[in-house]
Amino acid sequence: DGGITQSPKYLFRKEGQNVTLSCEQNLNHDAMYWYRQDPGQGLRLIYYSQIVNDFQKGDIAEGYSVSREKKESFPLTVTSAQKNPTAFYLCASSTGTSGRNEQFFGPGTRLTVL
Amino acid sequence: AQSVAQPEDQVNVAEGNPLTVKCTYSVSGNPYLFWYVQYPNRGLQFLLKYITGDNLVKGSYGFEAEFNKSQTSFHLKKPSALVSDSALYFCAVRDGYNFNKFYFGSGTKLNVKP
Repeated sequence: DGGITQSPKYLFRKEGQNVTLSCEQNLNHDAMYWYRQDPGQGLRLIYYSQIVNDFQKGDIAEGYSVSREKKESFPLTVTSAQKNPTAFYLCASSTGTSGRNEQFFGPGTRLTVL
Repeated sequence: AQSVAQPEDQVNVAEGNPLTVKCTYSVSGNPYLFWYVQYPNRGLQFLLKYITGDNLVKGSYGFEAEFNKSQTSFHLKKPSALVSDSALYFCAVRDGYNFNKFYFGSGTKLNVKP
């Protein structure tokens, strides 16, 4: 999974709790992304960041928050405002902004709300 | 609007036979197209991409893809399928105006039977 680590692999949360998913990359990539994967729906973009201290909302940002204090780290917080957080979460990174470069993905975190 | 369609939820093929996984796209600007593979409970792995040039693109593990501009298609192919090719395949297109955004299809499950 190419230099991107995500932790934990599995995460269980009670309703009303905030949880933070970790994503770290050692690829020296500028851009980082968070996706949510649900069965039969492909990947949906939650947030992305082009550079340190800057990030943008994706298509389904409501109920999520991120930070980008270091180039190698892009943690995602799933807040209690997210109505249906049970899903598989994938972090990715990419180098350059020319459009030619593919994304590298981490192994994912499976979040289950009890 | 940018979008990707994978019309088949599942493709079944016998080992040794050729396989095709279909993808059509809609994008503004130049199409930058990607194929990824996902094994159960893992992140996505990059297979190949079309940026410009030859319409037939060769990638990892013997896969190739044919770009057809008039049909707005980017079908994934392999001349001889292996059981180990069984996985979930995603087609993606990069936003023609915002290179930080990728759009993914809903995925096609490939089953290769011995």
